[in-house]
Amino acid sequence: AQTVTQSQPEMSVQEAETVTLSCTYDTSESDYYLFWYKQPPSRQMILVIRQEAYKQQNATENRFSVNFQKAAKSFSLKISDSQLGDAAMYFCAYSPGANSKLTFGKGITLSVRP
Amino acid sequence: GAVVSQHPSRVICKSGTSVKIECRSLDFQATTMFWYRQFPKKSLMLMATSNEGSKATYEQGVEKDKFLINHASLTLSTLTVTSAHPEDSSFYICSAGVGVRTDTQYFGPGTRLTVL
Repeated sequence: AQTVTQSQPEMSVQEAETVTLSCTYDTSESDYYLFWYKQPPSRQMILVIRQEAYKQQNATENRFSVNFQKAAKSFSLKISDSQLGDAAMYFCAYSPGANSKLTFGKGITLSVRP
Repeated sequence: GAVVSQHPSRVICKSGTSVKIECRSLDFQATTMFWYRQFPKKSLMLMATSNEGSKATYEQGVEKDKFLINHASLTLSTLTVTSAHPEDSSFYICSAGVGVRTDTQYFGPGTRLTVL
């Protein structure tokens, strides 16, 4: 069975600085998808970034980028120029493919200091 | 695009009553929707996979007779909590994949259920 591990329950970053959130996963599949979702206090789950495992290039979305290490089964999220609005719970998730269920990590609470 | 709505956003009910939560894909069709439960400061726990026109697939440990799921159309799935008890109080979230990118799920805003 697939598992997703987020070992850091909390992190803090100074506004305008960069922070990296860690995630590792375990799977025997060769093709799959990885995601980072953000859940602010409103509790609305928001897709931050998506990575296709067959693509070697790391995904980027504005200030958000990932470091995808397939052999190491590692998928970290880097947030550059952190903003107060980035404060939220972040979940790493795995999916084997279309219309498949997501496996989530436990999440990490990110706080941003002004 | 890719908007998922849920109704109601909050519901308070008495123990023993049933509550229905609706999940709608507003600008796309979804053959598959997912229902999750989330406790405060915890991760999402998948309850079931809802397939349009067929029976839902429940995760191990989820009582299918208590949490009734119906996916009657390509834009609507419902979760009915039957004979609710205080331990059913939780935050319930639905999600759906969009079009050709059904590998990516978009989430509804969630429903907070409180059973007195």
